[in-house]
Amino acid sequence: AQTVTQSQPEMSVQEAETVTLSCTYDTSESDYYLFWYKQPPSRQMILVIRQEAYKQQNATENRFSVNFQKAAKSFSLKISDSQLGDAAMYFCAFATGANSKLTFGKGITLSVRP
Amino acid sequence: DSGVTQTPKHLITATGQRVTLRCSPRSGDLSVYWYQQSLDQGLQFLIQYYNGEERAKGNILERFSAQQFPDLHSELNLSSLELGDSALYFCASSTGLATYNEQFFGPGTRLTVL
Repeated sequence: AQTVTQSQPEMSVQEAETVTLSCTYDTSESDYYLFWYKQPPSRQMILVIRQEAYKQQNATENRFSVNFQKAAKSFSLKISDSQLGDAAMYFCAFATGANSKLTFGKGITLSVRP
Repeated sequence: DSGVTQTPKHLITATGQRVTLRCSPRSGDLSVYWYQQSLDQGLQFLIQYYNGEERAKGNILERFSAQQFPDLHSELNLSSLELGDSALYFCASSTGLATYNEQFFGPGTRLTVL
């Protein structure tokens, strides 16, 4: 079975600064995908970024980038130039190539200080 | 707006009752997923349908059932409700079965069991 671990329940960052959210996972699969989802107070789930395990290059989406360390089974999210609108709960998620159901971590609440 | 609609937005009911949650996927999406978000269990996958057929099952209780209709909308039926069933229930849709297909989440149905 796959597991996703987000060990930090909360983090805080100053506006315009950079913050890194940690995630580790465990799987015996070789073909899988990793995701970061954002859940703002509205509760809407929004895909932030995704990474295919077979790609060595780290994914980047504007101010969001990941540090994917396959051997260490680590998948962290870096948010640059943090904005007030980045305040939300962030979930790390995993899916295998064979089964697209998402397995989520417990999430981390990010607050942004003005 | 993800294009996925869920009704109702809120549902308050009593223990022992039965409710039906409805989901309309994005136009053209054949795959529908149901997820439950609760304080105790976090976000967890319940069940997936693809073009009317059940494709994957997660931690779904026997008291819960789902189906996808020919017009591709899906319903999640929850019966003999217990206090612990209070949660936010998300529906998500994607174009196909492949893991790289992004799952688009609806706004959720908040179920409160009193």
